Amino acid sequence: AQTIHQWPVAEIKAVGSPLSLGCTIKGKSSPNLYWYWQATGGTLQQLFYSITVGQVESVVQLNLSASRPKDDQFILSTEKLLLSHSGFYLCAWSLGGDQAPLFGEGTRLSVL
Amino acid sequence: QQQVRQSSQSLTVWEGETAILNCSYENSAFDYFPWYQQFPGEGPALLIAIRSVSDKKEDGRFTIFFNKREKNLSLHIKDSQPGDSATYFCAASARGTNAYKVIFGKGTHLHVLP
Repeated sequence: AQTIHQWPVAEIKAVGSPLSLGCTIKGKSSPNLYWYWQATGGTLQQLFYSITVGQVESVVQLNLSASRPKDDQFILSTEKLLLSHSGFYLCAWSLGGDQAPLFGEGTRLSVL
Repeated sequence: QQQVRQSSQSLTVWEGETAILNCSYENSAFDYFPWYQQFPGEGPALLIAIRSVSDKKEDGRFTIFFNKREKNLSLHIKDSQPGDSATYFCAASARGTNAYKVIFGKGTHLHVLP
C-alpha cells in the first residue's frame, strides 16, 4: 500500500496563474512533512517542512507557500506562477527529525 | 555555497565492478548522512544512511565509509549491475531543529555498462 500520494501527477500552467499541489500520507500518525523542488537534472532544494498541523517552516523563499490543514495533508501553492517554478515537486515524510525523509512520486510542473 | 559536495557529476563502471561515489561536507554539525537513488521521472528512494558515530554502514551490496575528521564519506556499490544505473544523492542533516533541514548534494549519475 502506498504510504504517500501526490496529486496531480503532472500540470501544465500559464505564467501568472495560481497553483495548488497536494500530498497525503496514509497510515502514519503525526509525520514530519517536507516539500522539495528539483530542476530537471538538478539537486533537491528543500522548500518547507512541517512538524505538526497548522505549523509550517519556510526553508527558502521561492514565491511559494505551504499549509498543513490536516495531520495527513500538506499543500503547496502560489497565487501567481513564474517560469522559474517549472520543475519536479516532491513531498516527503519522516517519523522523527533524525530519520531520512521518504519521498512520494512527485508532480511534474511545466509553466509556459 | 554548496554545503554537501559530490565530487563527480558522472561515473561509468562495467558490470561487476565496484562503483565508488564520493561526498564531502562543510558543516561540522552534520551528523546524519542518507544516500538516495533516483531513476528518471521518479522520486528519490532512500538507499542507506549512516550516523557520524559510525565509520561504516553496510546493507547488501551497498556500503558507506565515513571519515568524520576529513568530513567526507563514500558510497560503494559492489558487483554493480546495469539496473543500478541511476542518479545518487548524498544528503546531510544536523541535530535539533536543524534535523528537519536536509541538504542534498548535486548528485552523481552512475552508468553501469553491461
